Amino acid sequence: ETGVTQTPRHLVMGMTNKKSLKCEQHLGHNAMYWYKQSAKKPLELMFVYNFKEQTENNSVPSRFSPECPNSSHLFLHLHTLQPEDSALYLCASSQDRGRGREQYFGPGTRLTVT
Amino acid sequence: GIQVEQSPPDLILQEGANSTLRCNFSDSVNNLQWFHQNPWGQLINLFYIPSGTKQNGRLSATTVATERYSLLYISSSQTTDSGVYFCAVVSGAGGTSYGKLTFGQGTILTVHP
Repeated sequence: ETGVTQTPRHLVMGMTNKKSLKCEQHLGHNAMYWYKQSAKKPLELMFVYNFKEQTENNSVPSRFSPECPNSSHLFLHLHTLQPEDSALYLCASSQDRGRGREQYFGPGTRLTVT
Repeated sequence: GIQVEQSPPDLILQEGANSTLRCNFSDSVNNLQWFHQNPWGQLINLFYIPSGTKQNGRLSATTVATERYSLLYISSSQTTDSGVYFCAVVSGAGGTSYGKLTFGQGTILTVHP
């Protein structure tokens, strides 16, 4: 595997389900990010992790719970989601969280909440 | 926070045509990236260009940081160039020190054979 990978690529879940999204980066980076892309809205940052520590929560509802066990893996745990949470969730990584670092994105997980 | 505006919102071309996409931003930047989002949602890195000019094959980009804009040039367009092109920046202004990318709304490019 190379670059940034995400699983699953597609997910359909009910509002009462609990599911997790997984991201893995093979670039030797130390910072990882979750972004959300909703229909007709710009991509927006959700969370930032730097050296496994969460450094930013961009006012994300608590039904989204991130986890970063090491610098290569990032999870997004989902529970009691709403239909408006249906979106493309993208993971990214960079060398560190510095402002000038280039970010590389995974292919995304397309989530549908029914 | 920093504002990012892209133009045009939509662009339709015949194969072989050239095009210019523009990105305006409202403050100084430490990072500016151009991406191509394919039909499956993957964001493909085109350029990391907070300033200066770069070229990669038929694509080139120029960022004039002092005037707060960047241009993406596509020459001899192909049908595979179709998709959404995003400009994203990290503000160089004070406050947070982390690499929060702020995205523009994108330009939807359609290239017809």
